[in-house]
Amino acid sequence: KAGVTQTPRYLIKTRGQQVTLSCSPISGHRSVSWYQQTPGQGLQFLFEYFSETQRNKGNFPGRFSGRQFSNSRSEMNVSTLELGDSALYLCASSLDPSGRGTGELFFGEGSRLTVL
Amino acid sequence: GEDVEQSLFLSVREGDSSVINCTYTDSSSTYLYWYKQEPGAGLQLLTYIFSNMDMKQDQRLTVLLNKKDKHLSLRIADTQTGDSAIYFCAESKYNQGGKLIFGQGTELSVKP
Repeated sequence: KAGVTQTPRYLIKTRGQQVTLSCSPISGHRSVSWYQQTPGQGLQFLFEYFSETQRNKGNFPGRFSGRQFSNSRSEMNVSTLELGDSALYLCASSLDPSGRGTGELFFGEGSRLTVL
Repeated sequence: GEDVEQSLFLSVREGDSSVINCTYTDSSSTYLYWYKQEPGAGLQLLTYIFSNMDMKQDQRLTVLLNKKDKHLSLRIADTQTGDSAIYFCAESKYNQGGKLIFGQGTELSVKP
């Protein structure tokens, strides 16, 4: 069974540009969550999608957005990039249809974004 | 509030047991997790425990949960050099399944 797949693995952008990252969850998983990992702030929750609807949201500015498609694949977008957006962006998937937690949240390898 | 705390470093000798500790503040936590991250990689789910359990064992891994003190620990028996990594503790709350609150991570160094 394939794991969580994230693309691209690495990318370099300049300030002011925008970026789109993609995540394919484990087959059958309908919940997709996104996290940002930086040395200073650690792992921080961005948002969660289930059945194409945003179910939970973290404390990030509106420049960070996401969506989920009918096949459960998800994308996140960051507009007007800032130097501080340089980070590893991790996607996780789970079965959890109720949102109450299933105990199994699986992460992808991440997309490493560098903003110059 | 939401806060998960871990010590930053732990160094052990190969073959010894490692114990990584974590404290959390939110008593409404539903699941508590341990993840492993190797350099340049994503997070690997090691194990998790439901908040109404006290202990869970899975091969070399033992998780202990003290709900009264809001303390979680991960014991790795017979630690190997391949166990060297950063270990993250995380919690989730009821009805917020995909939203995890992570600790800062404990860097485990295993010396031969």
